[in-house]
Amino acid sequence: AAGVIQSPRHLIKEKRETATLKCYPIPRHDTVYWYQQGPGQDPQFLISFYEKMQSDKGSIPDRFSAQQFSDYHSELNMSSLELGDSALYFCASSGYRGRSYNEQFFGPGTRLTVL
Amino acid sequence: GENVEQHPSTLSVQEGDSAVIKCTYSDSASNYFPWYKQELGKRPQLIIDIRSNVGEKKDQRIAVTLNKTAKHFSLHITETQPEDSAVYFCAASINTGRRALTFGSGTRLQVQP
Repeated sequence: AAGVIQSPRHLIKEKRETATLKCYPIPRHDTVYWYQQGPGQDPQFLISFYEKMQSDKGSIPDRFSAQQFSDYHSELNMSSLELGDSALYFCASSGYRGRSYNEQFFGPGTRLTVL
Repeated sequence: GENVEQHPSTLSVQEGDSAVIKCTYSDSASNYFPWYKQELGKRPQLIIDIRSNVGEKKDQRIAVTLNKTAKHFSLHITETQPEDSAVYFCAASINTGRRALTFGSGTRLQVQP
């Protein structure tokens, strides 16, 4: 079965640079979630989108923005990168397939390293 | 907002023993409680979930119990195997559709052969 796709899988940036992370949800899933996971930490919710509109907002810094496109893929844009932004960034998707919306499936993640 | 606490932070058991991980949540509106297993550097994988209209759910060696009155839920793994070694996260969410998960801090389970 098709899973959530994220690209790139690894990204190395310098401080103050920008980065763009991409997420392709499971086909027919209409909701995308972004989570940030620091080393030894639990995933922290950043932001989510449903039908191309922002659905929920968590602890996303003002330096970050995100959007969902007409094909349901989503991009997380990160500017003025800081050392503390180094983390695993997961995208998850959910959709109605005979069950509720709550079941979220995670992508493989993008490991961002800021030097 | 929701706050989820998880205990213990580390758990070491012998192969074949049972393992129990406990979580509490603060928001009485939460009614969806999934458990994720995460291996080092990999994605969290859903292993079982429970909704507040049931008190217990079982899937082979894994079971989850929910006490909505006390606002706590637990993961039980029986007949543990070395491949069960991973970090386990509990989470909570409000079942109004398309809501984010609030995770516990995780439990590192080590199954000794």
